[in-house]
Amino acid sequence: AQSVTQLDSQVPVFEEAPVELRCNYSSSVSVYLFWYVQYPNQGLQLLLKYLSGSTLVESINGFEAEFNKSQTSFHLRKPSVHISDTAEYFCAVSDNGGATNKLIFGTGTLLAVQP
Amino acid sequence: EAGVAQSPRYKIIEKRQSVAFWCNPISGHATLYWYQQILGQGPKLLIQFQNNGVVDDSQLPKDRFSAERLKGVDSTLKIQPAKLEDSAVYLCASSLVDRRSSEQYFGPGTRLTVT
Repeated sequence: AQSVTQLDSQVPVFEEAPVELRCNYSSSVSVYLFWYVQYPNQGLQLLLKYLSGSTLVESINGFEAEFNKSQTSFHLRKPSVHISDTAEYFCAVSDNGGATNKLIFGTGTLLAVQP
Repeated sequence: EAGVAQSPRYKIIEKRQSVAFWCNPISGHATLYWYQQILGQGPKLLIQFQNNGVVDDSQLPKDRFSAERLKGVDSTLKIQPAKLEDSAVYLCASSLVDRRSSEQYFGPGTRLTVT
């Protein structure tokens, strides 16, 4: 069965510092990987996704994630965070050989950016 | 384009009462999902519809939860009777097609508190 592990429940960081949010998954088949962001009192929004091809994927607001098959990881990074990046970040996996478009989510990491 | 709409945004009920949530997906989206997000956990898929047919309801507690998507557009999720452990945020999402690469768009959620 697939599962997603986000070891850090909360990551405090100062503005303009770099950050890495960790995500590891377990699956016996090929997967698609996603990062969703949830701002306070809002729904989840897709931040970036890995389907195939280049293992490094980028978002429009400066985040990037790298798919590492040997380490079964999909860590999210940003070289310099802003106050507005404060939100909860969820890593998710989809079995690309499965019958449905079902997403399995991790427990989330709260990114708290301090001035 | 308008996003996924959900109502109500908040609901407080006593245990053993009934409650219903409503979702209106993005126009033209064939696939609709209901997720349950318990505090401190990631969203968990309850049921997935393709048009007005059920694709996956393996995680739906069918003794108390029911969902329908009449005419393949709006959907309602009902809990009858509610238990304390049903306290959670109920998220509705939709996607254009039922394909692993198809992005899921989430509504703001309904926060249910069972006392």
